[in-house]
Amino acid sequence: NAGVTQTPKFQVLKTGQSMTLQCAQDMNHNSMYWYRQDPGMGLRLIYYSASEGTTDKGEVPNGYNVSRLNKREFSLRLESAAPSQTSVYFCASREDRKLNTQYFGPGTRLTVL
Amino acid sequence: QKEVEQDPGPLSVPEGAIVSLNCTYSNSAFQYFMWYRQYSRKGPELLMYTYSSGNKEDGRFTAQVDKSSKYISLFIRDSQPSDSATYLCAMEDTGGFKTIFGAGTRLFVKA
Repeated sequence: NAGVTQTPKFQVLKTGQSMTLQCAQDMNHNSMYWYRQDPGMGLRLIYYSASEGTTDKGEVPNGYNVSRLNKREFSLRLESAAPSQTSVYFCASREDRKLNTQYFGPGTRLTVL
Repeated sequence: QKEVEQDPGPLSVPEGAIVSLNCTYSNSAFQYFMWYRQYSRKGPELLMYTYSSGNKEDGRFTAQVDKSSKYISLFIRDSQPSDSATYLCAMEDTGGFKTIFGAGTRLFVKA
């Protein structure tokens, strides 16, 4: 069981470039989440997917899009990267809304120059 | 005003000390309260969770929730250098999928 995996681990982009962050889980969880973590701000929810085929905005969705490709995979896309999107991005999954344990991936460190 | 407030620290204590970490919140609808531990350059992992008010103990860790004061605490007894990490409080209401996290408190336990 790999749990939650994320690729890439590190990425440097120039302003205006696009990229997709990949996330996959092998725990057969229904819900998946994308967070960003910035110093002093904690974890902030970007988008989430309560189940396969559904996605919803979180607290800070502007500048991002997501795709729930299937039950295992949930990707985050930056269409035109900005320096304000420099952050550490975490993907997480959870079996059910009533079970409160979220399992997090190792994170992607993104720098936008 | 943030929904969840947490002192970012850092908090530095000697090995063996009792550590108290705290969060306050403003949303009275929160029913589930969690503590996550995050080691440097790793993802958070769930440490403790409680439902509604009361205490929960797991080994050296005790979580307390006081809903009347909108205040939650995590106590670490006999702290160890391996406890050095960032501790994030988190909470949810019963209605949705969203978890609200505190900013995290950095803890250093000196040997």
